[in-house]
Amino acid sequence: QKEVEQDPGPLSVPEGAIVSLNCTYSNSAFQYFMWYRQYSRKGPELLMYTYSSGNKEDGRFTAQVDKSSKYISLFIRDSQPSDSATYLCAISGATGANSKLTFGKGITLSVRP
Amino acid sequence: EAQVTQNPRYLITVTGKKLTVTCSQNMNHEYMSWYRQDPGLGLRQIYYSMNVEVTDKGDVPEGYKVSRKEKRNFPLILESPSPNQTSLYFCASSLYPGQGDEQFFGPGTRLTVL
Repeated sequence: QKEVEQDPGPLSVPEGAIVSLNCTYSNSAFQYFMWYRQYSRKGPELLMYTYSSGNKEDGRFTAQVDKSSKYISLFIRDSQPSDSATYLCAISGATGANSKLTFGKGITLSVRP
Repeated sequence: EAQVTQNPRYLITVTGKKLTVTCSQNMNHEYMSWYRQDPGLGLRQIYYSMNVEVTDKGDVPEGYKVSRKEKRNFPLILESPSPNQTSLYFCASSLYPGQGDEQFFGPGTRLTVL
């Protein structure tokens, strides 16, 4: 089993839809959970960061972590065409070999006007 | 402006012709890393560096070399490029490795090896 698995996509939704992006992971030592957003022809940029289980909200974006299920999600409310990008989950632990940031493969989201 | 720069942004070369992709950051970050991004495979780490003169292999190091002689620079060297190294390459840096530290990515270098 890969360390981080992400739904492959692509995903196309109409403007205004609620989008749910998901990743699962296998290593219980992981404790830092991030979502990066990558626009076409650009490098990834950090979008959301959470530590431990629970929800974190930032505007239209909510990051959710369930450590008991080893499952993380990113929700986008009222999606906009400007949200069209590739979204990558990224996870790491605190020390040693687990401290390396491990990325999911990414899912490409297209929001149709 | 805090940033990671890479050069060149686009490169077309032929098999076996040595090339170097430069990477520089102006944020005084300790940690730097090179990734390649391929369709269906995502971001895969090639090499990383914890500090000056300290480098280590990532997940896909074969065919690549790196050096870290200065804190700000981390060039990626392909001694004898092959077509399977055609990819999109990203350099990234962070203050420290792990512990959820944000990685800042460069704009990418699209390499084609014929």
